[in-house]
Amino acid sequence: DAKTTQPDSMESTEGETVHLPCSHATISGNEYIYWYRQVPLQGPEYVTHGLQQNTTNSMAFLAIASDRKSSTLILTHVSLRDAAVYHCILRATGGNNKLTFGQGTVLSVIP
Amino acid sequence: DAGVTQTPRHEVAEKGQTIILKCEPVSGHNDLFWYRQTKIQGLELLSYFRSKSLMEDGGAFKDRFKAEMLNSSFSTLKIQPTEPKDSAVYLCASSRDWGINYAEQFFGPGTRLTVL
Repeated sequence: DAKTTQPDSMESTEGETVHLPCSHATISGNEYIYWYRQVPLQGPEYVTHGLQQNTTNSMAFLAIASDRKSSTLILTHVSLRDAAVYHCILRATGGNNKLTFGQGTVLSVIP
Repeated sequence: DAGVTQTPRHEVAEKGQTIILKCEPVSGHNDLFWYRQTKIQGLELLSYFRSKSLMEDGGAFKDRFKAEMLNSSFSTLKIQPTEPKDSAVYLCASSRDWGINYAEQFFGPGTRLTVL
Protein backbone atom coordinates (compact mmCIF):
# COMPACT_ATOMS: atom_id res chain seq x y z
CA ASP A 1 0.00 0.00 0.00
CA ALA A 2 1.17 3.50 -0.77
CA LYS A 3 1.98 5.40 2.42
CA THR A 4 0.93 8.75 3.76
CA THR A 5 2.82 11.14 6.00
CA GLN A 6 1.10 13.40 8.48
CA PRO A 7 2.34 15.59 11.35
CA ASP A 8 2.02 13.91 14.72
CA SER A 9 0.02 16.73 16.26
CA MET A 10 -1.51 20.12 15.63
CA GLU A 11 -3.29 22.66 17.78
CA SER A 12 -6.05 25.13 17.07
CA THR A 13 -8.36 27.48 18.94
CA GLU A 14 -12.14 27.28 18.85
CA GLY A 15 -13.60 29.19 15.95
CA GLU A 16 -10.45 29.15 13.87
CA THR A 17 -9.77 27.39 10.58
CA VAL A 18 -7.25 24.55 10.70
CA HIS A 19 -5.34 23.00 7.80
CA LEU A 20 -4.32 19.36 8.26
CA PRO A 21 -1.66 18.34 5.73
CA CYS A 22 -1.02 14.90 4.27
CA SER A 23 1.81 13.85 1.97
CA HIS A 24 1.39 10.90 -0.40
CA ALA A 25 4.26 11.24 -2.84
CA THR A 26 3.93 7.72 -4.28
CA ILE A 27 0.18 7.74 -4.82
CA SER A 28 -1.05 5.73 -7.78
CA GLY A 29 -3.52 6.96 -10.35
CA ASN A 30 -6.28 4.66 -9.12
CA GLU A 31 -5.96 5.54 -5.45
CA TYR A 32 -8.53 7.66 -3.66
CA ILE A 33 -7.62 9.87 -0.72
CA TYR A 34 -9.82 9.21 2.32
CA TRP A 35 -9.94 11.05 5.61
CA TYR A 36 -11.29 9.53 8.80
CA ARG A 37 -11.19 10.86 12.34
CA GLN A 38 -11.31 9.05 15.67
CA VAL A 39 -11.93 10.13 19.23
CA PRO A 40 -11.02 7.99 22.26
CA LEU A 41 -13.30 5.03 22.96
CA GLN A 42 -15.05 5.34 19.61
CA GLY A 43 -14.58 3.84 16.18
CA PRO A 44 -13.25 5.89 13.26
CA GLU A 45 -15.68 8.29 11.61
CA TYR A 46 -15.67 9.00 7.87
CA VAL A 47 -14.93 12.64 7.05
CA THR A 48 -14.47 12.90 3.30
CA HIS A 49 -12.65 11.53 0.28
CA GLY A 50 -11.53 12.59 -3.17
CA LEU A 51 -9.62 11.54 -6.25
CA GLN A 52 -8.45 14.63 -8.14
CA GLN A 53 -10.86 17.49 -7.63
CA ASN A 54 -11.28 19.40 -4.39
CA THR A 55 -14.32 18.23 -2.46
CA THR A 56 -16.50 19.74 0.22
CA ASN A 57 -19.18 18.46 2.55
CA SER A 58 -20.72 19.47 5.86
CA MET A 59 -17.68 18.30 7.77
CA ALA A 60 -14.70 19.57 5.84
CA PHE A 61 -13.09 20.83 2.65
CA LEU A 62 -10.51 18.60 0.98
CA ALA A 63 -7.91 20.34 -1.15
CA ILE A 64 -5.92 18.03 -3.44
CA ALA A 65 -2.73 19.22 -5.08
CA SER A 66 -2.72 19.20 -8.88
CA ASP A 67 0.00 16.49 -8.91
CA ARG A 68 -1.95 14.56 -6.22
CA LYS A 69 1.18 14.12 -4.13
CA SER A 70 -0.34 15.94 -1.20
CA SER A 71 -3.69 16.97 0.18
CA THR A 72 -5.01 19.20 2.94
CA LEU A 73 -8.09 18.73 5.06
CA ILE A 74 -9.53 22.10 6.00
CA LEU A 75 -11.83 22.44 8.99
CA THR A 76 -13.53 25.79 9.41
CA HIS A 77 -14.82 27.21 12.70
CA VAL A 78 -13.43 24.30 14.68
CA SER A 79 -15.13 23.38 17.92
CA LEU A 80 -14.11 21.19 20.83
CA ARG A 81 -15.98 18.34 19.13
CA ASP A 82 -13.44 18.43 16.30
CA ALA A 83 -10.62 17.37 18.63
CA ALA A 84 -9.65 13.92 17.36
CA VAL A 85 -7.00 11.90 15.57
CA TYR A 86 -7.29 12.57 11.84
CA HIS A 87 -6.18 9.80 9.48
CA CYS A 88 -5.29 10.36 5.84
CA ILE A 89 -5.61 7.06 3.94
CA LEU A 90 -5.16 5.88 0.37
CA ARG A 91 -7.51 3.30 -1.05
CA ALA A 92 -7.11 1.73 -4.47
CA THR A 93 -10.15 0.87 -6.51
CA GLY A 94 -10.59 -2.81 -7.24
CA GLY A 95 -8.61 -5.60 -5.55
CA ASN A 96 -7.33 -4.34 -2.21
CA ASN A 97 -10.35 -3.54 -0.09
CA LYS A 98 -8.86 -2.82 3.28
CA LEU A 99 -8.34 0.51 4.97
CA THR A 100 -4.85 1.00 6.39
CA PHE A 101 -4.60 3.59 9.13
CA GLY A 102 -1.31 5.10 10.25
CA GLN A 103 -0.77 7.10 13.42
CA GLY A 104 -2.59 10.14 12.07
CA THR A 105 -2.53 13.71 13.37
CA VAL A 106 -3.76 14.45 16.85
CA LEU A 107 -5.73 17.69 16.63
CA SER A 108 -6.13 19.56 19.91
CA VAL A 109 -8.67 22.37 20.16
CA ILE A 110 -8.24 25.05 22.80
CA PRO A 111 -11.37 26.74 24.15
CA ASP B 1 -30.96 4.60 11.18
CA ALA B 2 -29.01 2.79 13.86
CA GLY B 3 -25.27 2.67 13.36
CA VAL B 4 -23.01 -0.33 13.76
CA THR B 5 -23.54 -2.02 17.12
CA GLN B 6 -20.86 -4.00 18.92
CA THR B 7 -21.09 -6.01 22.11
CA PRO B 8 -19.61 -6.25 24.60
CA ARG B 9 -17.85 -2.89 24.84
CA HIS B 10 -15.25 -4.35 27.17
CA GLU B 11 -14.04 -7.91 27.65
CA VAL B 12 -11.46 -9.34 30.03
CA ALA B 13 -10.28 -12.88 29.40
CA GLU B 14 -7.74 -15.25 30.87
CA LYS B 15 -5.07 -16.64 28.58
CA GLY B 16 -6.40 -19.70 26.77
CA GLN B 17 -10.07 -18.76 27.00
CA THR B 18 -12.45 -18.56 24.07
CA ILE B 19 -14.20 -15.27 23.54
CA ILE B 20 -16.87 -14.24 21.06
CA LEU B 21 -17.40 -10.68 19.96
CA LYS B 22 -20.64 -9.61 18.28
CA CYS B 23 -21.49 -7.07 15.61
CA GLU B 24 -24.69 -5.81 14.01
CA PRO B 25 -24.05 -3.83 10.82
CA VAL B 26 -26.10 -0.91 9.56
CA SER B 27 -29.36 -2.23 8.15
CA GLY B 28 -29.14 -2.73 4.38
CA HIS B 29 -25.36 -2.77 4.21
CA ASN B 30 -23.86 -5.60 2.17
CA ASP B 31 -20.25 -5.46 3.34
CA LEU B 32 -18.92 -6.16 6.82
CA PHE B 33 -15.37 -5.83 8.13
CA TRP B 34 -13.60 -6.89 11.30
CA TYR B 35 -10.47 -4.95 12.28
CA ARG B 36 -8.04 -4.99 15.15
CA GLN B 37 -6.59 -1.69 16.31
CA THR B 38 -3.49 -1.17 18.46
CA LYS B 39 -1.25 1.84 18.95
CA ILE B 40 1.73 0.01 17.50
CA GLN B 41 0.18 -1.73 14.50
CA GLY B 42 -2.64 0.67 13.80
CA LEU B 43 -5.68 -0.81 12.05
CA GLU B 44 -5.35 -4.40 10.79
CA LEU B 45 -8.00 -6.20 8.74
CA LEU B 46 -9.15 -9.51 10.19
CA SER B 47 -12.06 -10.43 7.92
CA TYR B 48 -14.18 -9.02 5.13
CA PHE B 49 -17.63 -10.31 4.14
CA ARG B 50 -19.63 -9.34 1.09
CA SER B 51 -23.27 -10.41 1.15
CA LYS B 52 -22.39 -12.91 3.90
CA SER B 53 -19.60 -14.51 1.85
CA LEU B 54 -16.09 -14.39 3.25
CA MET B 55 -13.95 -12.39 0.84
CA GLU B 56 -10.79 -11.97 2.88
CA ASP B 57 -9.71 -13.73 6.04
CA GLY B 58 -6.79 -11.56 7.11
CA GLY B 59 -3.98 -14.01 6.34
CA ALA B 60 -1.92 -14.00 9.52
CA PHE B 61 -5.04 -14.07 11.67
CA LYS B 62 -6.45 -17.32 10.29
CA ASP B 63 -4.98 -19.48 13.01
CA ARG B 64 -6.98 -18.48 16.11
CA PHE B 65 -9.43 -15.96 14.70
CA LYS B 66 -12.68 -16.99 13.06
CA ALA B 67 -15.33 -14.59 11.85
CA GLU B 68 -18.77 -15.75 10.80
CA MET B 69 -21.80 -14.08 9.33
CA LEU B 70 -24.85 -16.30 9.77
CA ASN B 71 -27.25 -13.69 8.44
CA SER B 72 -27.05 -10.25 6.92
CA SER B 73 -27.65 -8.50 10.23
CA PHE B 74 -25.29 -10.30 12.60
CA SER B 75 -21.66 -11.33 12.71
CA THR B 76 -19.38 -12.87 15.30
CA LEU B 77 -15.63 -12.93 15.79
CA LYS B 78 -14.30 -15.86 17.81
CA ILE B 79 -10.80 -15.86 19.24
CA GLN B 80 -9.70 -19.30 20.40
CA PRO B 81 -7.53 -19.63 22.42
CA THR B 82 -6.82 -16.08 23.50
CA GLU B 83 -3.28 -14.86 24.15
CA PRO B 84 -2.09 -11.70 25.92
CA LYS B 85 -0.91 -10.28 22.57
CA ASP B 86 -4.54 -10.26 21.44
CA SER B 87 -5.25 -7.36 23.79
CA ALA B 88 -6.54 -4.62 21.51
CA VAL B 89 -9.65 -2.82 20.33
CA TYR B 90 -11.68 -4.89 17.87
CA LEU B 91 -13.69 -2.82 15.43
CA CYS B 92 -16.55 -3.85 13.21
CA ALA B 93 -17.46 -1.75 10.17
CA SER B 94 -20.06 -1.99 7.44
CA SER B 95 -20.59 -0.46 4.03
CA ARG B 96 -23.49 -0.37 1.63
CA ASP B 97 -21.26 -1.38 -1.27
CA TRP B 98 -17.53 -1.10 -0.69
CA GLY B 99 -16.85 -1.97 -4.31
CA ILE B 100 -18.15 1.42 -5.39
CA ASN B 101 -15.36 3.97 -5.60
CA TYR B 102 -17.03 6.53 -3.41
CA ALA B 103 -18.19 4.16 -0.71
CA GLU B 104 -17.48 4.75 2.94
CA GLN B 105 -17.22 2.43 5.90
CA PHE B 106 -19.21 3.04 9.07
CA PHE B 107 -17.48 1.87 12.21
CA GLY B 108 -18.90 0.60 15.47
CA PRO B 109 -17.61 1.79 18.86
CA GLY B 110 -15.35 -1.24 19.22
CA THR B 111 -14.78 -3.91 21.85
CA ARG B 112 -11.78 -3.37 24.09
CA LEU B 113 -10.29 -6.80 24.84
CA THR B 114 -7.81 -7.38 27.63
CA VAL B 115 -6.20 -10.82 27.91
CA LEU B 116 -4.45 -11.51 31.19
